[in-house]
Amino acid sequence: GENVEQHPSTLSVQEGDSAVIKCTYSDSASNYFPWYKQELGKRPQLIIDIRSNVGEKKDQRIAVTLNKTAKHFSLHITETQPEDSAVYFCAAANSGGYQKVTFGIGTKLQVIP
Amino acid sequence: KAGVTQTPRYLIKTRGQQVTLSCSPISGHRSVSWYQQTPGQGLQFLFEYFSETQRNKGNFPGRFSGRQFSNSRSEMNVSTLELGDSALYLCASSFAGREAGYTFGSGTRLTVV
Repeated sequence: GENVEQHPSTLSVQEGDSAVIKCTYSDSASNYFPWYKQELGKRPQLIIDIRSNVGEKKDQRIAVTLNKTAKHFSLHITETQPEDSAVYFCAAANSGGYQKVTFGIGTKLQVIP
Repeated sequence: KAGVTQTPRYLIKTRGQQVTLSCSPISGHRSVSWYQQTPGQGLQFLFEYFSETQRNKGNFPGRFSGRQFSNSRSEMNVSTLELGDSALYLCASSFAGREAGYTFGSGTRLTVV
């Protein structure tokens, strides 16, 4: 089955700096890669996703990149703000088959004001 | 429209007891997935239901079971509770599953004493 590795497990950055979270996956059939943000005591929420036919996707201060050859994808947050502090989860799924969405272990991001 | 509703929000049970958790997906969503979230273990996939059929199952013991009703509401049952079952149980719904992003419920916090 799919295995998703995520690092770092914790990340502290100064407000205004950039943050990068990296994930690798094992199943070459995976073609859908969502990212979720979970604030303390709240539910995970989808913040951005990317499909395998796209190498990069941006949404304001957030961007995701995907390297299918190397089987890794990354989340980039620029100009970080204190409200970006949360746990971020990457995930991988095969939209063409009835397979579960596999999540990474999560990265706890702390933005220091 | 209403989001994903999970009940109850909190539950305290004794070892050996059984518990049933409920999840009502977003109207029109036919796929419901269940995850166990514990510190350090991330989001562990339990199972996914689509149109009343279990489509995928994670690596959990048989004590964990579920079902889905014709209105897409889903229940998860854990029998013979163990201390290690203490966790946040999240359900997520999507239109067809596997992609298009899950919408998570707020979860049920289960504590086994």
